[in-house]
Amino acid sequence: DTGVSQNPRHKITKRGQNVTFRCDPISEHNRLYWYRQTLGQGPEFLTYFQNEAQLEKSRLLSDRFSAERPKGSFSTLEIQRTEQGDSAMYLCASSTDSNQPQHFGDGTRLSIL
Amino acid sequence: AQSVTQLGSHVSVSEGALVLLRCNYSSSVPPYLFWYVQYPNQGLQLLLKYTSAATLVKGINGFEAEFKKSETSFHLTKPSAHMSDAAEYFCAVNQGGSEKLVFGKGTKLTVNP
Repeated sequence: DTGVSQNPRHKITKRGQNVTFRCDPISEHNRLYWYRQTLGQGPEFLTYFQNEAQLEKSRLLSDRFSAERPKGSFSTLEIQRTEQGDSAMYLCASSTDSNQPQHFGDGTRLSIL
Repeated sequence: AQSVTQLGSHVSVSEGALVLLRCNYSSSVPPYLFWYVQYPNQGLQLLLKYTSAATLVKGINGFEAEFKKSETSFHLTKPSAHMSDAAEYFCAVNQGGSEKLVFGKGTKLTVNP
């Protein structure tokens, strides 16, 4: 069990640029989740995959956000035309079942200049 | 809709003192409940989970939590605080069958020498 891996750990970009984050889940976990955490708040659900299928998306996920999990393994989260309000920690988690705990990575911290 | 309320955004205790972090939830069906801990610039680590098997749940690092349906509470306790317990703690609910976790806003625990 090597844990959930997220890259990069930090991303600094200018407003209007596109950014992409990667998440590698625990190898036998078929469920993968993305959350966003802003300062002083708990994580908020963004989207969820079961294998390669994206089965649920939060209304927080505007049309500037897109997530993929092409082969049911790693996932990417892309934000287009970044805005100041996108500054946050983006957390990825994985699990084997809806009733099992979600295991979190260390997150990608996005800062918009 | 599910929600989680954590009373007290900051809790300060002396080393060796009792730790009590409060969590109340709302859910229309029996929930699954979790406590996670987050150290600075890291992801969330699972402390313990309640999945209806027993109302008193023991977790890692000496923490435990008691599920009280009549009070819709799931408070986290530790008999004797250690300096290494200083971190932010999040309570989360997952309604059976739902994939997403709903988190509280977190409680930052400070342990004074």
